[in-house]
Amino acid sequence: AQSVTQLGSHVSVSEGALVLLRCNYSSSVPPYLFWYVQYPNQGLQLLLKYTSAATLVKGINGFEAEFKKSETSFHLTKPSAHMSDAAEYFCAVSDPGGGNKLTFGTGTQLKVEL
Amino acid sequence: NAGVTQTPKFQVLKTGQSMTLQCAQDMNHEYMSWYRQDPGMGLRLIHYSVGAGITDQGEVPNGYNVSRSTTEDFPLRLLSAAPSQTSVYFCASSYSTEYNSPLHFGNGTRLTVT
Repeated sequence: AQSVTQLGSHVSVSEGALVLLRCNYSSSVPPYLFWYVQYPNQGLQLLLKYTSAATLVKGINGFEAEFKKSETSFHLTKPSAHMSDAAEYFCAVSDPGGGNKLTFGTGTQLKVEL
Repeated sequence: NAGVTQTPKFQVLKTGQSMTLQCAQDMNHEYMSWYRQDPGMGLRLIHYSVGAGITDQGEVPNGYNVSRSTTEDFPLRLLSAAPSQTSVYFCASSYSTEYNSPLHFGNGTRLTVT
């Protein structure tokens, strides 16, 4: 069974600082990996996805993630945090058995301070 | 395009009552699913559908029923509500059942069972 682990349920950064949100996956087959963002009182929106085409994936709002097979990681980064980045971020892995089922991590709440 | 529409936004039930959470999408998406979101647990899949007339169970299906009579609608029924079903429920859809097809989420229904 696929699974993802997000280290750190809360991360706090200063505006302009580097954002690093960690995600490690467990999968018996090459995974498809996703990062979603959830703003308060809203549903989740797709930030980016890895589908084996390239190991460095660029997403919306300046975010990117690098797939590292040797470390089974898919960490999310942004060079310079903005106040509007404050949200909850979820890493997810898809089930290659089909049906587009996603297994989500427990989420990381990002706080951006002045 | 309204995307994925969920109703109601909020609901309070007494233990033992039944109700239906509505989900409709206007994107002609093939795949639809229901997740519940609980603090510290991420999102967990309840039921999903790969097309009209076809449904299957996810990770936490007990206490919930679904049906898919049309492409657009995918209601979730709580048969006899329990306090353990207090949660935020999200409906999500995608244009195909391919496992790299991103999900589009509704804004959620916040359910409290007393």
